Amino acid sequence: QQQVKQSPQSLIVQKGGIPIINCAYENTAFDYFPWYQQFPGKGPALLIAIRPDVSEKKEGRFTISFNKSAKQFSLHIMDSQPGDSATYFCAASMQSSARQLTFGSGTQLTVLP
Amino acid sequence: DAEITQSPRHKITETGRQVTLACHQTWNHNNMFWYRQDLGHGLRLIHYSYGVQDTNKGEVSDGYSVSRSNTEDLPLTLESAASSQTSVYFCASSRTGWNSPLHFGNGTRLTVT
Repeated sequence: QQQVKQSPQSLIVQKGGIPIINCAYENTAFDYFPWYQQFPGKGPALLIAIRPDVSEKKEGRFTISFNKSAKQFSLHIMDSQPGDSATYFCAASMQSSARQLTFGSGTQLTVLP
Repeated sequence: DAEITQSPRHKITETGRQVTLACHQTWNHNNMFWYRQDLGHGLRLIHYSYGVQDTNKGEVSDGYSVSRSNTEDLPLTLESAASSQTSVYFCASSRTGWNSPLHFGNGTRLTVT
């Protein structure tokens, strides 16, 4: 089974802190790594995504760091805000699986005011 | 605005009953997916479709079926509901393309008693 392992399961930070969520994968054929953000009562929505030919991608306060040799990638949220409180999922897909996404188990982030 | 709608939002059913969850998208996307979300497991793929009359099994397809008679709809049927199928179900759609994001509905919470 193609797995993506995500940690931590939950995370609490103060406003302005920099929460970091980590994911690791085993299948080196994965070539697309998105992060999804989910608010209570809503479906997940794409936040940011990266391909393994770059080591970092930044969109606003959200940054993905990618370490191909370690088969790990992480999400950093700069200057976190209470409105960032949500569940975050990492995911991975590969061309040979017709782009089906394999999701991590999710991280529930709480940003305290 | 284009959207993806799931109905009902909440459903309680008894063990052994057949249940159908509806999913309707107005994005005109070829790809449609059904996931279940359970704590500690993230999102797991049940079934998916890449176009009309095309359906495929995902990671956790046992006890579920889908049919795709038009572009807009992918109903999910639980043939004989079991308590293990108590979960939150999400439908999603996407364009064809390696980096096309999934657009999720807001989910159906199903309880099997």
